[in-house]
Amino acid sequence: GAVVSQHPSRVICKSGTSVKIECRSLDFQATTMFWYRQFPKQSLMLMATSNEGSKATYEQGVEKDKFLINHASLTLSTLTVTSAHPEDSSFYICSAAGKVGNQETQYFGPGTRLLVL
Amino acid sequence: LAKTTQPISMDSYEGQEVNITCSHNNIATNDYITWYQQFPSQGPRFIIQGYKTKVTNEVASLFIPADRKSSTLSLPRVSLSDTAVYYCLVGDMTGSARQLTFGSGTQLTVLP
Repeated sequence: GAVVSQHPSRVICKSGTSVKIECRSLDFQATTMFWYRQFPKQSLMLMATSNEGSKATYEQGVEKDKFLINHASLTLSTLTVTSAHPEDSSFYICSAAGKVGNQETQYFGPGTRLLVL
Repeated sequence: LAKTTQPISMDSYEGQEVNITCSHNNIATNDYITWYQQFPSQGPRFIIQGYKTKVTNEVASLFIPADRKSSTLSLPRVSLSDTAVYYCLVGDMTGSARQLTFGSGTQLTVLP
């Protein structure tokens, strides 16, 4: 199946710092990538939709100035959590929409665990 | 976006067949039905996707009735390692939006 990678897999940072998370589609081109957040024992919540070469579309309640998204190429999208606070601690997961063989669907990355102290 | 409803949890024993049914009454014409598996602290893993009737791959089968208002994921002969949360999602995979809305998922626990 298709592979989507995320880096880093986990990060611990101090409150007030910024953290960048990378999402890469390794074997297919993804014009659209998605960023999700998942809190313990809860389902995934869509944060934003990232389209290559254009501005991201944010879901209601997600601050675009706090969660900066850059989709610079067909294989890379980045999420930057600016001025992180403890309440931003969560599991961040990206997905890439693409077609591998005859299967067009979304493929998810392994996730990034963020802990803000 | 179509909303999905699944059982919160299910228990099964090793070697049994497990069927998880998902309701999606508001499914749109262009929507596909996709199932994912998620282990703790991992991203969801694609299991199977279908539009209508029956789809089968090496790990599961997906049954979709003619009205497409529900679907059933069938896992043959489950093992302990199949313990995970299973999500049913409905969305337009070919459109420019391609958004998927995650429901609560079904926690499947396979017992020895």
